[in-house]
Amino acid sequence: ETAVFQTPNYHVTQVGNEVSFNCKQTLGHDTMYWYKQDSKKLLKIMFSYNNKQLIVNETVPRRFSPQSSDKAHLNLRIKSVEPEDSAVYLCASSSGLGENTLYFGAGTRLSVL
Amino acid sequence: GDSVTQTEGQVALSEEDFLTIHCNYSASGYPTLFWYVQYPGEGPQLLFRASRDKEKGSSRGFEATYDKGTTSFHLRKASVQESDSAVYYCALSGIASSSFSKLVFGQGTSLSVVP
Repeated sequence: ETAVFQTPNYHVTQVGNEVSFNCKQTLGHDTMYWYKQDSKKLLKIMFSYNNKQLIVNETVPRRFSPQSSDKAHLNLRIKSVEPEDSAVYLCASSSGLGENTLYFGAGTRLSVL
Repeated sequence: GDSVTQTEGQVALSEEDFLTIHCNYSASGYPTLFWYVQYPGEGPQLLFRASRDKEKGSSRGFEATYDKGTTSFHLRKASVQESDSAVYYCALSGIASSSFSKLVFGQGTSLSVVP
C-alpha cells in the first residue's frame, strides 16, 4: 500500500525552465530523501532531511534545491533545467537516521527537451 | 567511502531456473545490508535486510546470507517465475560518513524471466 506520494508522475519541459516536484509521506517518519535514478537505473542520493533539517547534501548542481515545510513533506525544485536532468526522481522516507529501511514513492519522471 | 558492487547488469532466465545475483560490499564494521526490488512504474521496495554476520534474510522465496568474511550478500532463488522480472538492488547503510543517514545502492540487476 502506497504511503509515499509523489506528484506529478511525469513532467516534460524545455531547457531553462523551472520545475518543482512534490512529495508527501503518511508514515509518520522523521527522515525524508530525494534520490535520482538515471537511464541506466543507477540510484544516487541527492538530499536527506531529518526533522526538517538538511542532513545530507550530495554534490549536486546548485540549480537543485530541496524544500521542507514539515516532516511529512519534502519538495524538490530545479531552476533552469538542463538535458542531463532527465531522469526519475524518487522520494523516500525512513523512521530515522542510520540503519533504517527506506520507503519509496513511485517517482517523478522528468524529460527535458 | 562505503560502496556496493553488483556484477550482473542483466540476467535472462526461463521460469523455474535458479537465480543468483552477486553482491559484494566495501565498508568498515558491520553495515546493514539490504535487497530491494523495483517493478516497472514503481519505486524500489524492500525485499529483506540483514545486520549481523551469518544472518540470513528471506522473503517471497528469495534469500541471502550476510558473509563478512567474503564481504558478500548474494541473492538467490531456487525457482524464478515470470512475475519476478524486475530490477534488483543490493544496498548498505553503515557508520561511515559516506553511508550513514542514507542507503548506498549497487548498480542494479535487471532480471527478465520468460515462460
